[in-house]
Amino acid sequence: QVQLVESGGGLVKPGGSLRLSCAASGFTFSDYYMSWIRQAPGKGLEWVSYISSSGSTIYYADSVKGRFTISRDNAKNSLYLQMNSLRAEDTAVYYCAREDGDYGYWGQGTLVTVSS
Amino acid sequence: EIVLTQSPATLSLSPGERATLSCRASQSVSSYLAWYQQKPGQAPRLLIYDASNRATGIPARFSGSGSGTDFTLTISSLEPEDFAVYYCQQRSNWPQITFGPGTKVDIK
Repeated sequence: QVQLVESGGGLVKPGGSLRLSCAASGFTFSDYYMSWIRQAPGKGLEWVSYISSSGSTIYYADSVKGRFTISRDNAKNSLYLQMNSLRAEDTAVYYCAREDGDYGYWGQGTLVTVSS
Repeated sequence: EIVLTQSPATLSLSPGERATLSCRASQSVSSYLAWYQQKPGQAPRLLIYDASNRATGIPARFSGSGSGTDFTLTISSLEPEDFAVYYCQQRSNWPQITFGPGTKVDIK
């Protein structure tokens, strides 16, 4: 069965950095596009970034462009999100999700808290 | 950016009642609209894709309709496990996908 497991969240000071990981299993990871989607506490969902199956095509939401970098390692069945210059408004649960047009598979999420 | 508006913000109903949730887009999204259910502490679950297609394993009491700018999610008879927050999402201008703010269905 499809499984996505995020890790790497935690407490970080404003201006700091964090790297999130998403371990995929139960499907051929290299065949699928992947996305990161976040949800601030008590708020709605916000798409953050997308990466194509080969990693050659990448998109970002304007709110994170220039600060976040998405990447993947198909040999390790893993997706990453490098987050730099973090701000308080980046505080959220970060989900990785498989791109099937819509999002049929999500991880359980990892909480990132940006606070001094 | 395509903005999605959901109404009502909160819907208070009893088990067995019919729930009708609305999602309106700021411009046409054709039929590229999905609905998700989210319970506290859980990831969203895909219910409906392409406006009216139930995702795998979703009970028949969930149905979606609409096209263009106006969409509806209907739960024909609420079960106790259906009390949750529901989000709509468009992929018409993918990858700049957007979600609506959500409708909370709570127990009256």
